[in-house]
Amino acid sequence: AQSVSQHNHHVILSEAASLELGCNYSYGGTVNLFWYVQYPGQHLQLLLKYFSGDPLVKGIKGFEAEFIKSKFSFNLRKPSVQWSDTAEYFCAVMVEEYGNKLVFGAGTILRVKS
Amino acid sequence: ETGVTQSPTHLIKTRGQQVTLRCSSQSGHNTVSWYQQALGQGPQFIFQYYREEENGRGNFPPRFSGLQFPNYSSELNVNALELDDSALYLCASSSTGGIDGAGELFFGEGSRLTVL
Repeated sequence: AQSVSQHNHHVILSEAASLELGCNYSYGGTVNLFWYVQYPGQHLQLLLKYFSGDPLVKGIKGFEAEFIKSKFSFNLRKPSVQWSDTAEYFCAVMVEEYGNKLVFGAGTILRVKS
Repeated sequence: ETGVTQSPTHLIKTRGQQVTLRCSSQSGHNTVSWYQQALGQGPQFIFQYYREEENGRGNFPPRFSGLQFPNYSSELNVNALELDDSALYLCASSSTGGIDGAGELFFGEGSRLTVL
């Protein structure tokens, strides 16, 4: 079965620090990859996605992620975080042959200190 | 706001009871997926409905069942509730049951179920 691992469950950064959240998945075939974000008191929303093409994907609010197929990774990055980036971040994978379901990681809670 | 609404937002049940959770999808969306999110974990796929038919199911027992109506709204039913069913139940809608749009999920805020 597919699985998604997120390296850190809690991350604390100061404003303007750089962010990298790790994500690895276990499936060896064709995958579609996603990062979702949940701000405090809000619903889950899509941050960015990779289906095909350029492995460096840019999303909303200055976030980007790089798909490295050889490492089965899809790490999320932001050069300079803001206090408003405080949220929980979920990496997810979809494998077409296993149906239209997303398999989520356990999430990383990011707290940005002002 | 995503346009996906869920009800109720919170509810408390006891073991053995049955519960029905409801979801109204975003306008124009014909696919609804249900996820269970236990405390400290990521959402887990329960099942998906596309044009009123089940279109994929996760590793959940048959006491988890669902419906989709002609207006694309959906229900999740759980029978014989167990303590481990306590979780946030998320509904997500999308514009197609196929792979291209399936990743563009628009989530509701969830129904938090507590089983005592």
